[in-house]
Amino acid sequence: EPEVTQTPSHQVTQMGQEVILRCVPISNHLYFYWYRQILGQKVEFLVSFYNNEISEKSEIFDDQFSVERPDGSNFTLKIRSTKLEDSAMYFCASRWDSMNTEAFFGQGTRLTVV
Amino acid sequence: DQQVKQNSPSLSVQEGRISILNCDYTNSMFDYFLWYKKYPAEGPTFLISISSIKDKNEDGRFTVFLNKSAKHLSLHIVPSQPGDSAVYFCASSGGNMLTFGGGTRLMVKP
Repeated sequence: EPEVTQTPSHQVTQMGQEVILRCVPISNHLYFYWYRQILGQKVEFLVSFYNNEISEKSEIFDDQFSVERPDGSNFTLKIRSTKLEDSAMYFCASRWDSMNTEAFFGQGTRLTVV
Repeated sequence: DQQVKQNSPSLSVQEGRISILNCDYTNSMFDYFLWYKKYPAEGPTFLISISSIKDKNEDGRFTVFLNKSAKHLSLHIVPSQPGDSAVYFCASSGGNMLTFGGGTRLMVKP
């Protein structure tokens, strides 16, 4: 069964460092997402991506964040200068359509900023 | 601005009984609703969905009900099994993104 894969599963980084979280969405999907979940809190929308551009983003997704689909298979989330409060589980998701279809989620990357 | 709310943070049910998880939404533009199940340190797993043109969708032990006038949906699990113990998130879709509720932790006791 096709699945969304994320690497690494766990990333520890020093405050102020750049991190790149990687995702391989399901191959025939067209819509891609990043969500995050701070420990014990709700799953929060960060950004959606379609046709090689951002289609929607939340207030969380400020100038420190960027997304890219560099090679047609990977979908990356970059945090330029990490802060302690960026520590969270980051989930990538993909959907083949934006209407009436489910999104499939990866297993997540646990980001710890120290 | 919580557009999707799950007012019960936790629910405890005896094995074999019915579990009912509730979700309320405020945005009338939402037209597709989903339930996800989540284990710790794993990604959400899709369970069941319903379009706004329906009021019920059933898949095995799982049934989702939608009351559009009340902006309310619920997930029924019957019979509940210990393996159903997890956090359940409802999500609403309108436009391009999914908006999640805060989750309900379901504990099914043997």
